[in-house]
Parts: sequence; C-alpha cells; structure tokens
Amino acid sequence: QSVLTQPPSVSGAPGQRVTISCTGTTSNIGAGFDVHWYHQLPGTAPRLVIYATNNRPSRVPDRFSGSKSGTSASLTITGLQPEDEGDYYCHSHDSGLRGSVFGGGTKLTVL
Amino acid sequence: QVQLQESGPGLVKPSQTLSLTCSVSGGSISSGSYYWSWIRQRPGRGLEWIGYIYNNGNTYYNSSLKSRVDISLDTSKNQFSLKLTSVTTADTAVYYCARAATVLLDSWGQGTLVTVSS
Repeated sequence: QSVLTQPPSVSGAPGQRVTISCTGTTSNIGAGFDVHWYHQLPGTAPRLVIYATNNRPSRVPDRFSGSKSGTSASLTITGLQPEDEGDYYCHSHDSGLRGSVFGGGTKLTVL
Repeated sequence: QVQLQESGPGLVKPSQTLSLTCSVSGGSISSGSYYWSWIRQRPGRGLEWIGYIYNNGNTYYNSSLKSRVDISLDTSKNQFSLKLTSVTTADTAVYYCARAATVLLDSWGQGTLVTVSS
C-alpha cells in the first residue's frame, strides 16, 4: 500500500489529453511539500518529467504539466503521443515518515 | 552531467547481506547540496525509497527497513554504498541509485537486479 494514491491505469487516443491524479495527506502533499513526477519505460530507470509541482526539465516537451491543490496533485499530458506510454509515478516528502514517499504508479496506454 | 552506475552481486542467499555500490562520475559526491539515494522496485511493483545519505554523512532511512539498512559514502572513490542485512525473498528487486536535489531525483543509475534465493 503506497502512501500516495494513484489510479492503476489511464488511457487515451493520440492527440487527446489525459490526467493522472496523486492523492496524499496532510503529512505530505497537504503539508506543502513539492510533488515530482517520473516516467518509466519497461526495463529502464524512471526519468523526471515534472519537478516541484509544475516545472519541466528542459528536455521534456511542454505537453506535460502539473498542478497541486490541497492534498492532491495531478500530471496532465496534452496532445498524447505514442512515446508517452509507460508508467508514471508521483513522489513527495512525508514529514511523519521523515522521508520520501511514492505513489503506486499509473500505467498510461496510448490507444 | 552526472552519471551513476550500480554494481554488486546479482544473487544473494536468504539471511545474508546484500551489498551494492554506486559509482558516480561527472561530479563529486562531496560537493553540492545533494542526497545520494537508494530506491528499489520489486518485480511488477512500484518504487520504494530505501534511504539516502547527505555529503556530511547524515543518513535517512525508510522506517520499514531502518533496522536492516546502512548507507555509506566513500569520497575517495566517489562512490556510495548500500548494505541490507538479513535478506529474504521479499528483498528481490531492481535496486537503483540516484541523486536527490532536496527530494527530487534528478539523475538515476540504470538499476541492477538482485535476486534473493538459495
């Protein structure tokens, strides 16, 4: 059972928009800690796609965006591309656990 | 650009100690405000934070693993290491080392599979 809760799967057709949610508590997201998002392809290491809620590394297209409200955060991908498929994980800090916490991951399928 | 590479045995017997090393290139582990981290991913499951070490030697561990984990730095070799004692089959996983800037993990190793089996 992960500390941060994500839907197991989402899907969308090419060109569409999808949103992946990440629900936490008042000890992590709700406490104001930053949320980060990673994309993982099978057999490879995760790669950062969004950091500090809504900032993109330079190599990540602006189709990716993030937001946060209360104890939840979201990752939105617009203009879905086949290469966006894979698993996405949210990540934050938890003051009660005194360490990093991850979501359980969401598998994105591009139909 | 910093690069990280895990190394260590791919097979460990139950009750023994898992030992992995992460070699860092392209930057010194002694400089900057980074936390040198270990994360694992059990087969078919999500990411699990194991712990990290700051460049002053302070360590922070996942409470569920704390009694079995030790992370250390070797600045002379620009490496950091993970030791996990009394392993069971539940510790079979891909183990990643990574660099954390405060919390966010901005650079990752490719990961190494460690199987616990007799």
